[in-house]
Amino acid sequence: AQSVSQHNHHVILSEAASLELGCNYSYGGTVNLFWYVQYPGQHLQLLLKYFSGDPLVKGIKGFEAEFIKSKFSFNLRKPSVQWSDTAEYFCAVNPLGSKLSFGAGTTVTVRA
Amino acid sequence: SAVISQKPSRDICQRGTSLTIQCQVDSQVTMMFWYRQQPGQSLTLIATANQGSEATYESGFVIDKFPISRPNLTFSTLTVSNMSPEDSSIYLCSARDGRTQETQYFGPGTRLLVL
Repeated sequence: AQSVSQHNHHVILSEAASLELGCNYSYGGTVNLFWYVQYPGQHLQLLLKYFSGDPLVKGIKGFEAEFIKSKFSFNLRKPSVQWSDTAEYFCAVNPLGSKLSFGAGTTVTVRA
Repeated sequence: SAVISQKPSRDICQRGTSLTIQCQVDSQVTMMFWYRQQPGQSLTLIATANQGSEATYESGFVIDKFPISRPNLTFSTLTVSNMSPEDSSIYLCSARDGRTQETQYFGPGTRLLVL
């Protein structure tokens, strides 16, 4: 079955540490890729997206993601996290002409 | 980007009753969706709300339990019928305008507790 996999369920790190969250998908063909973030008590917000072009995309709050087509991956990175980055992060994949599918989510806890 | 509002933001309901959730988008969009997010879990698509026709439901969701309306390009409702405690969840409205962009935006959600 086609799916979206996020490798880490819960990540705990200290402020200023680097963050990388893995996301792989199993859809063939052209896809649009997204990372959404859900801060505690808040609603889902778009962090960044990839449709085409440069596979390294930059989003809000210093986040970036790299699309590697050969690996069916779209990993999220941030060089130096802050306490305010504590949130739930969801990878989502939208095969063209189909529906948006979400990964299970990764809870990121940043310790001050 | 589309700004999406939902009403109510939260509710506590008795089992056996029904609740209708409203979703309003600040611009015309081609596609609207309803999702469920159970505590600590990811988002599950309930259905695609089609303007002027019956909604398209995902596996495991049926119209009798989750009737949906979409009278125009900016508004939709989801009803959770004959509720049980298992229906306690966050229900999210989402919208995407396939004519101009493929980004899908989400409303703030309706937090439902069924006693």
